[in-house]
Amino acid sequence: EEQLVQSGADVKKPGESLKISCQGSGYSFTNYWIGWVRQMPGKGLEWMGIIYPGDSDTRYSPSFQGQVTISVDKSITTAYLQWSSLKASDTATYYCARSGVPRTAEYLDLWGRGTLVTVSS
Amino acid sequence: DIQMTQSPSTLSASVGDRVTITCRASQTLNSWLAWYQQKPGKAPKLLIYKASVLESGVPSRFSGSGSGTEFTLTISTLQPDDFATYYCHQYQGYSGTFGQGTKVEIK
Repeated sequence: EEQLVQSGADVKKPGESLKISCQGSGYSFTNYWIGWVRQMPGKGLEWMGIIYPGDSDTRYSPSFQGQVTISVDKSITTAYLQWSSLKASDTATYYCARSGVPRTAEYLDLWGRGTLVTVSS
Repeated sequence: DIQMTQSPSTLSASVGDRVTITCRASQTLNSWLAWYQQKPGKAPKLLIYKASVLESGVPSRFSGSGSGTEFTLTISTLQPDDFATYYCHQYQGYSGTFGQGTKVEIK
């Protein structure tokens, strides 16, 4: 079964760092771009960026460039989203999702269940 | 950055109604447009890609149309399971943007 399994919910204080994960299984992980999507409480979806596990080619939305880092460890079929210094405004659910077409970044056909990140003092 | 303007933001409808949601892009997309359904507390679910291609397993009452800068999602006969929020998503050129979402509510 194809799936993306995300790490569990986390609660952090402002200024702390965090790395959340998304492990793919049941398909050829290195051949499909993985994207990250933010959803703030009660709000819509925001496309953050996307990474190709085959060569770690990464593209960011201008809104998130410099705010987060997307990475991948293909040896354990896992993509990551990390912050070096969290803000309260980073409180949101973060989804990882797979591109539906191999080797190109297109629509997102396979989604993780989401990771809730809460940043509060 | 391509901007997506989705309308309406909320839609009140009854079971059996025909429902239409529109998305307008700030630049030509050449059909690189997808539609998703999201229910509270759940991940989005892909409905339509390449503007009009129905994802496997999605009921045929869902359809997509359009090209260039204007796109439409239509639900031909609204069912109880269809009350949810719908998002368009452009995916041209290794970038992406979602529309603001349309919440379909029970009238």
